[in-house]
Amino acid sequence: DTAVSQTPKYLVTQMGNDKSIKCEQNLGHDTMYWYKQDSKKFLKIMFSYNNKELIINETVPNRFSPKSPDKAHLNLHINSLELGDSAVYFCASSSTGKKAYEQYFGPGTRLTVT
Amino acid sequence: AQSVTQLDSQVPVFEEAPVELRCNYSSSVSVYLFWYVQYPNQGLQLLLKYLSGSTLVESINGFEAEFNKSQTSFHLRKPSVHISDTAEYFCAVRRVQVGANNLFFGTGTRLTVIP
Repeated sequence: DTAVSQTPKYLVTQMGNDKSIKCEQNLGHDTMYWYKQDSKKFLKIMFSYNNKELIINETVPNRFSPKSPDKAHLNLHINSLELGDSAVYFCASSSTGKKAYEQYFGPGTRLTVT
Repeated sequence: AQSVTQLDSQVPVFEEAPVELRCNYSSSVSVYLFWYVQYPNQGLQLLLKYLSGSTLVESINGFEAEFNKSQTSFHLRKPSVHISDTAEYFCAVRRVQVGANNLFFGTGTRLTVIP
């Protein structure tokens, strides 16, 4: 069973469109994350979210918004896509508290904006 | 704020040779340290972590890393590499503070094992 899954794996779309990437974890974790990996492989946190708090990286444009229908899901919505949004997006999850050491990552979604 | 520096973007090494991937960090508070591995077209997997205690930590596939507080380093080593070790390796830190779960990653080192 896949611990953290993302759909779709590949997403090709045009500038100006609105798209969503879905993430689901079956680990019982209560904190989920979205990371962006750019063309140079640099990974940067975009959001972290649990049922109490959404923490947004201040550099993330407000065109990006996370939506969590329940603890096991954290979807990423992107409005008015731009060329610079092309990247690989990774979802991750972890438990909280003192033992929240390890984050489990999904396989990634490669977004290409044309 | 925390930051991580991986000076080597690419490291080619022959099969069965030793390898060291360097990682230095900067932080004004105590941190946990991690190495993640990303195989081609896959997500990241935790390779090993330093939380406390012994400064030398080992993974199940022969990698080890040593936390050096005075040099703020957490270099990754393997005495004899395999073709299957070819991957991107990321060093990461997070604050020890409870609730501060965000990971800060280095820019990665691509290890290529040459037959």
